[in-house]
Amino acid sequence: EDQVTQSPEALRLQEGESSSLNCSYTVSGLRGLFWYRQDPGKGPEFLFTLYSAGEEKEKERLKATLTKKESFLHITAPKPEDSATYLCAVQAAGGFKTIFGAGTRLFVKA
Amino acid sequence: DAGVIQSPRHEVTEMGQEVTLRCKPISGHNSLFWYRQTMMRGLELLIYFNNNVPIDDSGMPEDRFSAKMPNASFSTLKIQPSEPRDSAVYFCASRAGGPLRDTQYFGPGTRLTVL
Repeated sequence: EDQVTQSPEALRLQEGESSSLNCSYTVSGLRGLFWYRQDPGKGPEFLFTLYSAGEEKEKERLKATLTKKESFLHITAPKPEDSATYLCAVQAAGGFKTIFGAGTRLFVKA
Repeated sequence: DAGVIQSPRHEVTEMGQEVTLRCKPISGHNSLFWYRQTMMRGLELLIYFNNNVPIDDSGMPEDRFSAKMPNASFSTLKIQPSEPRDSAVYFCASRAGGPLRDTQYFGPGTRLTVL
């Protein structure tokens, strides 16, 4: 069964304190792995899509990486405005369903 | 681009009442998804449409839930009769074909409370 597990559930950082969020996945052939950001009271906002092991993508202070079993979302020198829930999702090859993890709630204190 | 539009943003109703949630996908997108999000179960796919045709509704909890997409610019999710356990945030998302075919764009959601 396809599955996505995110850790930690919550992460509290000081402004400027870099860290990483983990997304472990089990899927029968990966079509794509997605990272979304969700602010309270809003819908998930697309960040990245990764398709193959070794791929990396960056956007401002965020960098996403992918291996055959997991993905990391690295946050460099975070700011309070980076506080949000970060969702990881996978789509299996040959399918259309996107399976979401439970998310990591990130709190960045000034 | 206005993005995915959902209405209402908030809905409070009593158990047993009919609830209809509405979604307008991004123009030109040919896939539409309905999700439900709760603290306990996270984000769950309810139903997926491609070119206005329901492809998979295996995520629909039970017969009380139904969804339609009469045209490319409008979809509804109906719950009849509603129950307190249906309380959740319901999201609609749309997706384009082509190179960006895997990226889903979400609406702001409808927060449903069933008393």
